[in-house]
Amino acid sequence: AQSVTQLGSHVSVSEGALVLLRCNYSSSVPPYLFWYVQYPNQGLQLLLKYTTGATLVKGINGFEAEFKKSETSFHLTKPSAHMSDAAEYFCAVKSANNNDMRFGAGTRLTVKP
Amino acid sequence: DVKVTQSSRYLVKRTGEKVFLECVQDMDHENMFWYRQDPGLGLRLIYFSYDVKMKEKGDIPEGYSVSREKKERFSLILESASTNQTSMYLCASSWDRGGYGYTFGSGTRLTVV
Repeated sequence: AQSVTQLGSHVSVSEGALVLLRCNYSSSVPPYLFWYVQYPNQGLQLLLKYTTGATLVKGINGFEAEFKKSETSFHLTKPSAHMSDAAEYFCAVKSANNNDMRFGAGTRLTVKP
Repeated sequence: DVKVTQSSRYLVKRTGEKVFLECVQDMDHENMFWYRQDPGLGLRLIYFSYDVKMKEKGDIPEGYSVSREKKERFSLILESASTNQTSMYLCASSWDRGGYGYTFGSGTRLTVV
């Protein structure tokens, strides 16, 4: 069974500061890992994903994440926060041999001026 | 762009009513999913389908059923709505097994009174 734990339900940063959203996963087989963003009253939008190959993946809006197998982590970072980054972020995992994705509880990011 | 369309953004229903939530995708995706989203719980999988007339239970299927008569349409049915089914419902679709992400609809916010 796969699962995801997102550390911190709320994260607040100042505009221009580093954004770090933490995600740890559990999977008995090699995982596919995803980060999604949800703006108010909208569905989820894919930010980035790791499947195979390079462990540092870049996504939209300047976000990136690094797959660390030894730490079972897939933390999301952005060097400099922008006000428009305020949203809820979800980490998700699925495996290569099935298709149902499991999501974390989400982290709400607030960006202060 | 893949589009996943949920028929209603907001719905208010009475306890005991039969409720239909409709979802249509336009990219010939094999897989379709229904999640509910609640604060602090993230997204929880209700039902999913890998093919027409095929359905599988997710993590929280109780009180729900689904129908997939055509490849592009996946309906979620609340047989007898209850107040604890007040939630945001998200439909998603994807290609077959592999490292593909999901495409989400905008969600239906259902209130049961």
